[in-house]
Amino acid sequence: GEEVAQTPKHLVRGEGQKAKLYCAPIKGHSYVFWYQQVLKNEFKFLISFQNENVFDETGMPKERFSAKCLPNSPCSLEIQATKLEDSAVYFCASTLTAGAQETQYFGPGTRLLVL
Amino acid sequence: GEDVEQSLFLSVREGDSSVINCTYTDSSSTYLYWYKQEPGAGLQLLTYIFSNMDMKQDQRLTVLLNKKDKHLSLRIADTQTGDSAIYFCAERGSGGSYIPTFGRGTSLIVHP
Repeated sequence: GEEVAQTPKHLVRGEGQKAKLYCAPIKGHSYVFWYQQVLKNEFKFLISFQNENVFDETGMPKERFSAKCLPNSPCSLEIQATKLEDSAVYFCASTLTAGAQETQYFGPGTRLLVL
Repeated sequence: GEDVEQSLFLSVREGDSSVINCTYTDSSSTYLYWYKQEPGAGLQLLTYIFSNMDMKQDQRLTVLLNKKDKHLSLRIADTQTGDSAIYFCAERGSGGSYIPTFGRGTSLIVHP
């Protein structure tokens, strides 16, 4: 079936190192969202894309986080100089459309541990 | 900002019905969702309902919406051990950002 793919599944970084996470949305889906799940259950929206364009980045701590969705490439989320509080599961989701028949799919997540 | 509240835990016996409740504050909510998260996995969209609907049924799942009280519920009939998971309620308005606001999830425990 159709799936959102995220890599890697697990990522361990020392504090101050860079971390890069990847997401392949379902082909044909126009919107991609990144979320950070911390404190076990709480979801925090980071950024969304409409195709290759940033749609909403109000959740991004811009001084260290950046994201891209380039044509014919997986989307990426990069954290420069990771901090301990960046330890979380990062989920990517893709959405077919924001219209009436909306279908959203989440990837399995990347678990980032910053030591 | 907008808020979505859920109780943290629900324990039911196998075969009984489960009812998971959710309240929200955004009066402009247009879409309301229920997601399921199993251990180590991402979110699975179970169902969604538009704000102009009162009820939606899909096999064992029944969603009820009381828009006046801003209350949403998910009923699972004949609950099975495989239904044990965390269930997230989420809402979003019809504005341009399409960002849902999630509750903190209800852990459903199904025991024999």
